[in-house]
Amino acid sequence: AQKVTQAQTEISVVEKEDVTLDCVYETRDTTYYLFWYKQPPSGELVFLIRRNSFDEQNEISGRYSWNFQKSTSSFNFTITASQVVDSAVYFCALSNSGGYQKVTFGTGTKLQVIP
Amino acid sequence: DTAVSQTPKYLVTQMGNDKSIKCEQNLGHDTMYWYKQDSKKFLKIMFSYNNKELIINETVPNRFSPKSPDKAHLNLHINSLELGDSAVYFCASSPRGQQGKGYEQYFGPGTRLTVT
Repeated sequence: AQKVTQAQTEISVVEKEDVTLDCVYETRDTTYYLFWYKQPPSGELVFLIRRNSFDEQNEISGRYSWNFQKSTSSFNFTITASQVVDSAVYFCALSNSGGYQKVTFGTGTKLQVIP
Repeated sequence: DTAVSQTPKYLVTQMGNDKSIKCEQNLGHDTMYWYKQDSKKFLKIMFSYNNKELIINETVPNRFSPKSPDKAHLNLHINSLELGDSAVYFCASSPRGQQGKGYEQYFGPGTRLTVT
C-alpha cells in the first residue's frame, strides 16, 4: 500500500520568509517516483518536480529546493524568500513504476504568503 | 498551445441527469487519467487508461464510465447524477516512462461539476 502524509494543513508566512513544506511517504516498492504539484487559487494543477527513488540528489530551481531522504522517507520542499505568488495549495504525490500504475496524492498544504 | 484540455469548464445540472466531460491531450502521451477533487481539495484517482485500455479502475460507482476513443482522448460519462458527485474533475496525461521520459502527470484545467 502507498501513503503520502502532508501533516501541515495550512501555513502562513510573511513575504520574503523561507518556508518548508513537509512530505512523508510509505511504499513497499523499491522503485518509485515522488512529485510536487502546485494548485494556485485559479485552480489548475501545475507539475513542479519529479524525483526517482534511486536518485537522492537534492535539487534547486531558483527559489525552490527539494530535499529527498530515503532514510526518513521524506521529500520536503523549501521556498526561499517567499512571494505572494507562491500562495497556493501544494501537493506531494507518489507513484510506483509498475504496469498497474498507482498514484497517491497527499492531502495538500495550503501556503499563504502575506505581503 | 494547450497541452491537456477539458470541456466544459463548468457544468451545473440537476440530480438524475446524465452528463459527459471531454478531455484531449496533444502531448503524445500514452496514459491518461481522471481524478476527482472534493471540496476539501483531496485528489483521488478514478481511472487510468494506457493506449486506450483501462488499467486502473478505483472504487468508483458504476454510474461513472470512461471512454477512450483514441490515446489522445479520454471522456467521462456520468449517469444519474447525485449531489455527492459535485466536485472538480481533472483529466491528466503522463509519459509514464515513454522514450526515457518521466512519470509525472500534466493536468487539464478541471471541470467544476455542480449537481443541484
